Amino acid sequence: EDQVTQSPEALRLQEGESSSLNCSYTVSGLRGLFWYRQDPGKGPEFLFTLYSAGEEKEKERLKATLTKKESFLHITAPKPEDSATYLCAVQARLGNQFYFGTGTSLTVIP
Amino acid sequence: DSGVTQTPKHLITATGQRVTLRCSPRSGDLSVYWYQQSLDQGLQFLIQYYNGEERAKGNILERFSAQQFPDLHSELNLSSLELGDSALYFCASSVEGRYGQPQHFGDGTRLSIL
Repeated sequence: EDQVTQSPEALRLQEGESSSLNCSYTVSGLRGLFWYRQDPGKGPEFLFTLYSAGEEKEKERLKATLTKKESFLHITAPKPEDSATYLCAVQARLGNQFYFGTGTSLTVIP
Repeated sequence: DSGVTQTPKHLITATGQRVTLRCSPRSGDLSVYWYQQSLDQGLQFLIQYYNGEERAKGNILERFSAQQFPDLHSELNLSSLELGDSALYFCASSVEGRYGQPQHFGDGTRLSIL
């Protein structure tokens, strides 16, 4: 069964305290793995797409990496404005369906 | 602002009723996706259209249907509504229907069934 599991469910960091969010997936052939950020009352905002194991992408304080079973979103020296829920999603080859994890709620304390 | 417009923002109705949610994709985007987000299940993929044609289908109930019109806007129709259909419904769009395309989401329609 195709599925995506994210951990931890919630994470509180001090400003400047780096950490990583995990996304584990099982899928019948991966077309792409996506990271999104979602603020309260808003739709998810696209961050990254990763297509194959070993791929890495960076944007400001965020870096996403991909292996054959999981992806990590590394947050370096986070700021309070990085507080949000981070969602991971995969697109499966079978049926081209999309599966989202339930997200990691990140709070960065000044 | 993602450029994806969803209307209405809020909708309150009763069990057994039928509603229509509307989505206008970003200018130039040909593909539209619909999702349901509830507190206990997260984002659930419902259906994807590309240039008017159904491209992929997820966990969409038979009581739900969607279509994409020639001007590329899309509508999600929900009928025989049940209490469990209360959720946030998101629309997203992408440039093409190619695999792995990033999706840009609207801010959703919050549906409340009384």
